[in-house]
Amino acid sequence: KNQVEQSPQSLIILEGKNCTLQCNYTVSPFSNLRWYKQDTGRGPVSLTIMTFSENTKSNGRYTATLDADTKQSSLHITASQLSDSASYICVVRRYSTLTFGKGTMLLVSP
Amino acid sequence: GAGVSQSPRYKVAKRGQDVALRCDPISGHVSLFWYQQALGQGPEFLTYFQNEAQLDKSGLPSDRFFAERPEGSVSTLKIQRTQQEDSAVYLCASSQAKGTINSNQPQHFGDGTRLSIL
Repeated sequence: KNQVEQSPQSLIILEGKNCTLQCNYTVSPFSNLRWYKQDTGRGPVSLTIMTFSENTKSNGRYTATLDADTKQSSLHITASQLSDSASYICVVRRYSTLTFGKGTMLLVSP
Repeated sequence: GAGVSQSPRYKVAKRGQDVALRCDPISGHVSLFWYQQALGQGPEFLTYFQNEAQLDKSGLPSDRFFAERPEGSVSTLKIQRTQQEDSAVYLCASSQAKGTINSNQPQHFGDGTRLSIL
């Protein structure tokens, strides 16, 4: 079964600190991988999209990495802010199908 | 509008009632998707439209779920004879991409309709 597993399930960090969220997937063949941010009560918002040939992609304080050989991706958040508190969802595309992870709930504490 | 709009934001219904959820995609977006998101879970695919054509409805959990997009713009997700397990957030997303295969165009999500079945 094509799956997307994220870890940790939840994370609390102090404002200003860095953190890294993990995504492992078994989806095959792989088309692309996206990270979304979902604020409570809102819809997901795309942060990055990575294709098979891309290893790293940055969007401001967010940096995503992809290792297609080991089927692992990470999202690194630098100098966290209170507004980063949200659920971060890893989504892997296989042909026309998107498989969503359950997300990592991040809480940035002052 | 500037983004995907969904209505109502919240819907409470008694078990057995029919409900209709509306999605206004971003103007000009060809592709439209419906997802179901249970509490603490990621969204799960329900159905996909390209313009007015429903190209994939493999995610609809039962024949009580029906979606339409008659003019290729606004879409409605209808749930008949609602059950408690239908309680979830229903997300709509639209994409500029004409096809979903190998598309790198992001999907733009609405804020969802939170459906509670009593």
